[in-house]
Amino acid sequence: GIQVEQSPPDLILQEGANSTLRCNFSDSVNNLQWFHQNPWGQLINLFYIPSGTKQNGRLSATTVATERYSLLYISSSQTTDSGVYFCAVERPGNNRLAFGKGNQVVVIP
Amino acid sequence: DTGVSQDPRHKITKRGQNVTFRCDPISEHNRLYWYRQTLGQGPEFLTYFQNEAQLEKSRLLSDRFSAERPKGSFSTLEIQRTEQGDSAMYLCASSLGHLQETQYFGPGTRLLVL
Repeated sequence: GIQVEQSPPDLILQEGANSTLRCNFSDSVNNLQWFHQNPWGQLINLFYIPSGTKQNGRLSATTVATERYSLLYISSSQTTDSGVYFCAVERPGNNRLAFGKGNQVVVIP
Repeated sequence: DTGVSQDPRHKITKRGQNVTFRCDPISEHNRLYWYRQTLGQGPEFLTYFQNEAQLEKSRLLSDRFSAERPKGSFSTLEIQRTEQGDSAMYLCASSLGHLQETQYFGPGTRLLVL
């Protein structure tokens, strides 16, 4: 199956700092989503971004489908940004999301 | 739009018992998915429904697992003769289909098998 690798696995940030999370995938995809998993386990949709660039407040994401990677940018981080960020992809005709192992982010005041 | 809901949120059971979980998708979403997440890992696909038809099952879904979506609305996931290795978070997601592929996840059911 498709491989999804996220880096860095763990990240500690000072409040107010910026960061970039990376997702590499091994095959062509028609769906790529970024999620934030809160401490209670709920997966919160951040972006649906199989290609291109999107921004939502302090978060933005870019997917370069031809080079098989996606980036999630967090600017001016806040303690509420702490948690695990997951990248998930879907191959054409596959009808399932394949997840990476996540990026554990801790923002300290 | 009230989001995807799951019930129960937590379940503790003894090894060998049967458990059943329920998922209510976002209304009018044709597709419904079940995933399982163990500690420190990303969710893994279990099965997928298009309306009431179960179209795909993962090899993770042993014969002790069965899922249904009888009227194309809510779905149930049953685990028979639970084992300690079944302890995990069980996540349900739904999507509209028809080229609108964004999957929206419920809060999950956390299962602990003693």
